[in-house]
Amino acid sequence: GAVVSQHPSWVICKSGTSVKIECRSLDFQATTMFWYRQFPKQSLMLMATSNEGSKATYEQGVEKDKFLINHASLTLSTLTVTSAHPEDSSFYICSAEGSGRAKDTQYFGPGTRLTVL
Amino acid sequence: GENVEQHPSTLSVQEGDSAVIKCTYSDSASNYFPWYKQELGKRPQLIIDIRSNVGEKKDQRIAVTLNKTAKHFSLHITETQPEDSAVYFCAASRGQTGGFKTIFGAGTRLFVKA
Repeated sequence: GAVVSQHPSWVICKSGTSVKIECRSLDFQATTMFWYRQFPKQSLMLMATSNEGSKATYEQGVEKDKFLINHASLTLSTLTVTSAHPEDSSFYICSAEGSGRAKDTQYFGPGTRLTVL
Repeated sequence: GENVEQHPSTLSVQEGDSAVIKCTYSDSASNYFPWYKQELGKRPQLIIDIRSNVGEKKDQRIAVTLNKTAKHFSLHITETQPEDSAVYFCAASRGQTGGFKTIFGAGTRLFVKA
């Protein structure tokens, strides 16, 4: 199946710093990438949808200036958590949808656990 | 806004029994309904999906049914095994400009007792 990777798998940072998370589709072109947050024992919460070369569409309640999303190529999207605070600590998961066998189906990355001290 | 309700939140079955998880969606434009299995500490993985032009789909021990009129769909797992223990998420999705809009259910934690 289609493979999506995320980097880093976990990160610990100090409050006030910025953290960048990468999401890559390894064997297909991802026309659309999605970013989710997942709190312990809870469901996935969609943060934003991004299409290659265009601005991300943020869900209601998600601060676009705090969670910067860039989808510069068909295989890479990045999420930058700016001026991170402890309440931003969470599990961030990306997924990608593309063409061919990856069409109309989301393939998830392994997630990134962010801990803000 | 659109939402997906999933029941039960927790389900415990004996190995070999069947498990059924139900979801109800509100967006009548939804036309794609995937189910994901998430084991502890791992990423969600697609296990089965169904599109709105089909009423039922089966893949070995897993089946999904869809009732578009009532806007609900269900996951059926037969002959459950301990390795089926995980959290299962349903989702309702529809195409829109710029990609698919997917709403997830809250999840069902399935325990299969050996």
